[in-house]
Amino acid sequence: GAGVSQTPSNKVTEKGKYVELRCDPISGHTALYWYRQSLGQGPEFLIYFQGTGAADDSGLPNDRFFAVRPEGSVSTLKIQRTERGDSAVYLCASSGQGRYGYTFGSGTRLTVV
Amino acid sequence: GENVEQHPSTLSVQEGDSAVIKCTYSDSASNYFPWYKQELGKRPQLIIDIRSNVGEKKDQRIAVTLNKTAKHFSLHITETQPEDSAVYFCAAGNFGNEKLTFGTGTRLTIIP
Repeated sequence: GAGVSQTPSNKVTEKGKYVELRCDPISGHTALYWYRQSLGQGPEFLIYFQGTGAADDSGLPNDRFFAVRPEGSVSTLKIQRTERGDSAVYLCASSGQGRYGYTFGSGTRLTVV
Repeated sequence: GENVEQHPSTLSVQEGDSAVIKCTYSDSASNYFPWYKQELGKRPQLIIDIRSNVGEKKDQRIAVTLNKTAKHFSLHITETQPEDSAVYFCAAGNFGNEKLTFGTGTRLTIIP
């Protein structure tokens, strides 16, 4: 596609529920990243995929967070037993091989009530 | 891990004047330093970046300088315009491990 697409754009869920956030990167981009941005803060790294494998998942805050990219394109960030502190904008970005600059998606605003 | 500090948190500049935002980083292995502009409710967009093998890079009204010894880098915007108003984030990373650590942002307001 022309840009990084994230769905849904907004998600409101009840505390304790499970959510999935989807990212569709730019076609041909091998690297995919998830970041979380809280109000008034910079993006915080969660996980980075190179192809299908998670090259670095050191930013995932705990085992309630999991991400997959089974075919090396679309990625899904999964959050179990959501907590109010999970409320944030979840940003996805992708980059092509040999290119270091990211292209970010518009994000999914997650609100846990 | 890497720690990036950014100053100031807010900056107001008269239209036409220059704006400077400064960042420091802690990990001497970091060798890539991008700057992102984020308008309200929109995605961060890369505006300029610099690698550690150069000390300065310029693109029209925007320039970035890097001092590896002191571990700091700065964004310079000249001849500011109202459309420059946004939140600016610096970041630091290590080529080969593409994780970026972001600063906390600077809200730049250009006063017409």
